[in-house]
Amino acid sequence: ETVMTQSTATLSVSPGERATLSCRASQTVYTNLAWYQQKPGQAPRLLIYGAFTRATGIPARFSGSGSGTEFSLTISSLQSEDFAVYYCQQYNNWPPGFGGGTKVEIK
Amino acid sequence: QVQLQQSGPGLVKPSQTLSLTCAISGDSVSSNSAVWNWIRQSPSRGLEWLGRTYYRSKWYIDYAASVESRITITPDTSKNQLSLHLNSVTPDDTAVYYCARNWGTVNWYFDLWGRGTLVTVSS
Repeated sequence: ETVMTQSTATLSVSPGERATLSCRASQTVYTNLAWYQQKPGQAPRLLIYGAFTRATGIPARFSGSGSGTEFSLTISSLQSEDFAVYYCQQYNNWPPGFGGGTKVEIK
Repeated sequence: QVQLQQSGPGLVKPSQTLSLTCAISGDSVSSNSAVWNWIRQSPSRGLEWLGRTYYRSKWYIDYAASVESRITITPDTSKNQLSLHLNSVTPDDTAVYYCARNWGTVNWYFDLWGRGTLVTVSS
């Protein structure tokens, strides 16, 4: 089983600043990596798939990068609606697996 | 607009069976492109994929090893829905349960989610 690690549990960022979240896979997943945003009481929302492709309707301030075992999600200028928990998910290996999440909070 | 409407009890007693349904509108459970999944989320386990079903000339159903001995996922074409049954539950099965869609058997990321059902296992 591929273990996904998001080493930063909480990231404190001021509105308008840039946030970079990291995700590591225990074995290569190539670019079969997705990112989700989750707000309290809501289901996760797909942001990025294929490591860097934005899902439909996702603002351009969200960008993904990386391949193999190291990945990043960057939010270029944090808006108030971006404060949430973010999860990475690999879908290259069986079974699909999620990271533990990074909470982006207001500094 | 495709929607997933979940239903089922929010409280289940230990050793009993957890049963949830996910009604699909705007798409088909027997689509030749979509795959229908169950995922759960708890503080102790995080987000955990449980299983999936899809139709490609015949029905396929796959389960996570962690629950394989206790889980059944069933598609219902007459009601355009899928169901989840998890038997012999313990408090460790307390979680928010989601149904979710992905496209194809390779693109295994989830673009559509139900709203989730909190299921508490307690006597």
